[in-house]
Amino acid sequence: KAGVTQTPRYLIKTRGQQVTLSCSPISGHRSVSWYQQTPGQGLQFLFEYFSETQRNKGNFPGRFSGRQFSNSRSEMNVSTLELGDSALYLCASSFGTAKNIQYFGAGTRLSVL
Amino acid sequence: KQEVTQIPAALSVPEGENLVLNCSFTDSAIYNLQWFRQDPGKGLTSLLLIQSSQREQTSGRLNASLDKSSGRSTLYIAASQPGDSATYLCAVSVNTGNQFYFGTGTSLTVIP
Repeated sequence: KAGVTQTPRYLIKTRGQQVTLSCSPISGHRSVSWYQQTPGQGLQFLFEYFSETQRNKGNFPGRFSGRQFSNSRSEMNVSTLELGDSALYLCASSFGTAKNIQYFGAGTRLSVL
Repeated sequence: KQEVTQIPAALSVPEGENLVLNCSFTDSAIYNLQWFRQDPGKGLTSLLLIQSSQREQTSGRLNASLDKSSGRSTLYIAASQPGDSATYLCAVSVNTGNQFYFGTGTSLTVIP
């Protein structure tokens, strides 16, 4: 059974650019959540999508957005990149509710120069 | 806002020792709590999931307990092995969705 796949694994961008990250969940999973991990702030919740609808949203600026497609694949977009956006971005998938185990991808390492 | 704290931040033990990792949270109205491990450069792996109505969960050498009223959880690792070396994170959810608040983690090193 394939795990959660995140692409690309590494990205280098410059300030002001925008970036799109992709997450393919485990087959059958309908929930995809996104997290930002930094040494200073740890893991912080960005948003969760369930059946193509945003179900929960963390406390991040509007530059961070996402969407989910009918096959449950999800994308996260960050516009007008800032140096502070450099981080490991992780996505997690599960069947649906918090009663279910979350499975994480290996992450996308974003560096903003 | 839910805040999750983990103590200690780092721990180094000789192989074979039993150890306890601690997690505390400020709001006892949680839906569930999960313990994860993270290996360097990799994503997170779920170890144990405790529903809010449960007191503990066990998997192999791992045992996690939950005391909602005091806002605490512990992860007990028996007979530690070098392969247990990783960062351990606890996370709590506050609703039925998958919005988790994570602790800052405990970095564990098991010395052969």
